[in-house]
Amino acid sequence: GEDVEQSLFLSVREGDSSVINCTYTDSSSTYLYWYKQEPGAGLQLLTYIFSNMDMKQDQRLTVLLNKKDKHLSLRIADTQTGDSAIYFCAEILSGGSYIPTFGRGTSLIVHP
Amino acid sequence: DGGITQSPKYLFRKEGQNVTLSCEQNLNHDAMYWYRQDPGQGLRLIYYSQIVNDFQKGDIAEGYSVSREKKESFPLTVTSAQKNPTAFYLCASSMSNTGELFFGEGSRLTVL
Repeated sequence: GEDVEQSLFLSVREGDSSVINCTYTDSSSTYLYWYKQEPGAGLQLLTYIFSNMDMKQDQRLTVLLNKKDKHLSLRIADTQTGDSAIYFCAEILSGGSYIPTFGRGTSLIVHP
Repeated sequence: DGGITQSPKYLFRKEGQNVTLSCEQNLNHDAMYWYRQDPGQGLRLIYYSQIVNDFQKGDIAEGYSVSREKKESFPLTVTSAQKNPTAFYLCASSMSNTGELFFGEGSRLTVL
């Protein structure tokens, strides 16, 4: 079945690294995405990873994929107050309709 | 500039009234989606359309209706049959066969 799980909250100090975790249950996932939602706005795609990759780095963002454990993480280096937002993990299944299944979102709070 | 536009941003309605939320995109995307967002529940899919003049129910279609007469437009009507319509509504679009969604800024509906 399809299910994407995330913890609801994460609080970090400015300048520290943030790690947001996601688990999924369907081993046929082909693409995994991270979206960011700022208060009162829509979602924006941050990054994505193909299921045949282990890691992807893009400036301050690092995505790690552990297919064996069906675990995806997003690491934000040198977290800033502007990174405060809700982060959604999403998956696309192979052979499906390309409609992403979203997690419930993790609220990242960055404090000085 | 290419993008996806939702209107109105805020909407109030009395119980028993239907209301229509607008969603327009100029990205030439084939697929369009409507999601509902409630605090702590993430995104739930209401309806989606992958081609003009065709649309499919999502997970929570009851009490909602849509049309897709033009590629650019995918309006959502929240009918009086929807028991708990107060929510934040997000429209999105994508190219076919990709999970990369482009979101509008959302419409917040409050039923008084």
